[in-house]
Amino acid sequence: DTGVSQDPRHKITKRGQNVTFRCDPISEHNRLYWYRQTLGQGPEFLTYFQNEAQLEKSRLLSDRFSAERPKGSFSTLEIQRTEQGDSAMYLCASSWGNTGELFFGEGSRLTVL
Amino acid sequence: DQQVKQNSPSLSVQEGRISILNCDYTNSMFDYFLWYKKYPAEGPTFLISISSIKDKNEDGRFTVFLNKSAKHLSLHIVPSQPGDSAVYFCAASANTDKLIFGTGTRLQVFP
Repeated sequence: DTGVSQDPRHKITKRGQNVTFRCDPISEHNRLYWYRQTLGQGPEFLTYFQNEAQLEKSRLLSDRFSAERPKGSFSTLEIQRTEQGDSAMYLCASSWGNTGELFFGEGSRLTVL
Repeated sequence: DQQVKQNSPSLSVQEGRISILNCDYTNSMFDYFLWYKKYPAEGPTFLISISSIKDKNEDGRFTVFLNKSAKHLSLHIVPSQPGDSAVYFCAASANTDKLIFGTGTRLQVFP
C-alpha cells in the first residue's frame, strides 16, 4: 500500500498522559500536514511541513502540541498532558509541492478519559 | 471565524436525480477550491477541484461551479448513486497555502 499511513488508529488515554501519533506520507511527497477533526466539524488545520521544515503552526494549537519531521519523511505529533478536549480524530495528509490536492490517511482517533 | 461555510448539514436525494451541494467562502484571497468525500472510518478523499480562473470544471458525473462575485461554489452530482452517500467537504486555499475546510454536508442517496 503506497498511501498515507497513520499509527495508531485508535488511542485511549487518561487525562494528563502524553500521546504520540506517527504519520508516514506518500514517499515522493515533500509536504506533510496535520489536521484535527471533531464530530460535526470539518478538518481543522494544525501544522504543516515542507521537507523537514515546519512552515506554519496554527494559532489554535497550544504549547502542549508539538510536531516533528526529522528527516523529511515520517512525522510525529505529540500531545503532552492530554485534556478531554483533545479527544478528536487526528488526520495526516501529504502532497507534492503546492499542488493543492492533499492525500489523507485514515486518521488516528484519540479518546481522553 | 469560519472562512468556508457549508450551511446545509445534510441532503437527501433519490437515486438518479441531481445532488447539489453548496459552499460559501469569505476570504477573497482564496484562489483554489476543492471538494473531498469522506466515508465513515476513512480519511477524506479528493473528488474535484477548480481554480479561480475558471467558473466550471467537470469530471464524469461531478461538476463544480464557481461564482467569484458571490463567493460561492457548488458541486453537482448527476445522476446520483447510492455509493455517493458520504460526507462532502468543501475546501479552499490561498496562494497554494494550507487547505481550509467547511463543516461538511452529509449526502444520502436513497433508491
